[in-house]
Amino acid sequence: GENVEQHPSTLSVQEGDSAVIKCTYSDSASNYFPWYKQELGKRPQLIIDIRSNVGEKKDQRIAVTLNKTAKHFSLHITETQPEDSAVYFCAATSWQGGSEKLVFGKGTKLTVNP
Amino acid sequence: ETGVTQTPRHLVMGMTNKKSLKCEQHLGHNAMYWYKQSAKKPLELMFVYSLEERVENNSVPSRFSPECPNSSHLFLHLHTLQPEDSALYLCASTRDRGTDTQYFGPGTRLTVL
Repeated sequence: GENVEQHPSTLSVQEGDSAVIKCTYSDSASNYFPWYKQELGKRPQLIIDIRSNVGEKKDQRIAVTLNKTAKHFSLHITETQPEDSAVYFCAATSWQGGSEKLVFGKGTKLTVNP
Repeated sequence: ETGVTQTPRHLVMGMTNKKSLKCEQHLGHNAMYWYKQSAKKPLELMFVYSLEERVENNSVPSRFSPECPNSSHLFLHLHTLQPEDSALYLCASTRDRGTDTQYFGPGTRLTVL
């Protein structure tokens, strides 16, 4: 089955700096890679996703890159702000037993210091 | 946010109790999911329902019993739980089963004494 590794587990940056979170996956058939943000005490929410037919996607200060050959994808946050502080989860699709599901990484706790 | 709601938000129960978690989605989605979120672990998918039919059970112990009476409601019945079952239980829904955006509920924080 799919295995998703996420690094680092914690990340602390100064406001205005960039933050990068990396994930690797094992299933070469994976074709959908979402990123979720979970603020303290709140529910996870989708912030950006990418499908396997593109290599990069950008939405304002957030971007995701995908390298299918190397089986890794990354989240890039530029000009970080304190409200970016949260736990970020990557995920990848996995086909198991004839059905498709998401497999999540363990999460990265991002702290943006003012 | 009112798209996906869960009750109760917090639950403390003894190992011999029976309780139920409730999830309701107001998005017109056809698939619903139960996840377990423990500290320092990935989100673990427990059950998937599509059009009220259970389509996945990820080797979850029988002390967890899901129920989906219609496409808007999902329950998780709990009985004789163990302390290691303490976690945040998240419900989610998607338009259809597969790789749609998952909309999560706020979760139920469960503590088993």
